[in-house]
Amino acid sequence: GENVEQHPSTLSVQEGDSAVIKCTYSDSASNYFPWYKQELGKRPQLIIDIRSNVGEKKDQRIAVTLNKTAKHFSLHITETQPEDSAVYFCAPKGSGGYNKLIFGAGTRLAVHP
Amino acid sequence: DARVTQTPRHKVTEMGQEVTMRCQPILGHNTVFWYRQTMMQGLELLAYFRNRAPLDDSGMPKDRFSAEMPDATLATLKIQPSEPRDSAVYFCASGLVLGEVSHEQYFGPGTRLTVT
Repeated sequence: GENVEQHPSTLSVQEGDSAVIKCTYSDSASNYFPWYKQELGKRPQLIIDIRSNVGEKKDQRIAVTLNKTAKHFSLHITETQPEDSAVYFCAPKGSGGYNKLIFGAGTRLAVHP
Repeated sequence: DARVTQTPRHKVTEMGQEVTMRCQPILGHNTVFWYRQTMMQGLELLAYFRNRAPLDDSGMPKDRFSAEMPDATLATLKIQPSEPRDSAVYFCASGLVLGEVSHEQYFGPGTRLTVT
């Protein structure tokens, strides 16, 4: 089956710094690459996604970059704020025609004031 | 602002009891997913429905878990009999899939299950 790995598992930054989380996947047929954010005690919510025909997508302070050849995509958060503290999950779409997402183990980001 | 709803939000039960969790997907969505979240295992996909038909339940322990969609507005996840290792947060999510193009999955608030 699909193998999805996220690095790092925890990340601690100072407010205003940048944060980068990398997701590596194994299924070369994956064509949809979302990132979800889950605050403590809350539901996961989509923050940004990218499709395989695009290399980079940006939305204000967050961006996602995709390297299909190397089979990894990354989440970039600039000018981090305390409210960015959460667990972030990558979830590349699996193959097999079922359109299901395969969630990574998550990265716990802590932004310190 | 349409949202996925789940009931109950919290459930405490004794080992061996039956547990039923319910989910109302967003109107118009054609896919429903059940996930289990624990600290150790992260987010695991248990079952997946498309147009109410079960497509994938390979992540679900078949001997005690069952998932159904009796109609387009209701999805259920049942555990019988429940065991302490089933303690987790169970999320339902719905989304719209057009052909082979995936779109955002919208998660419900979750059901926190504790089996003693």
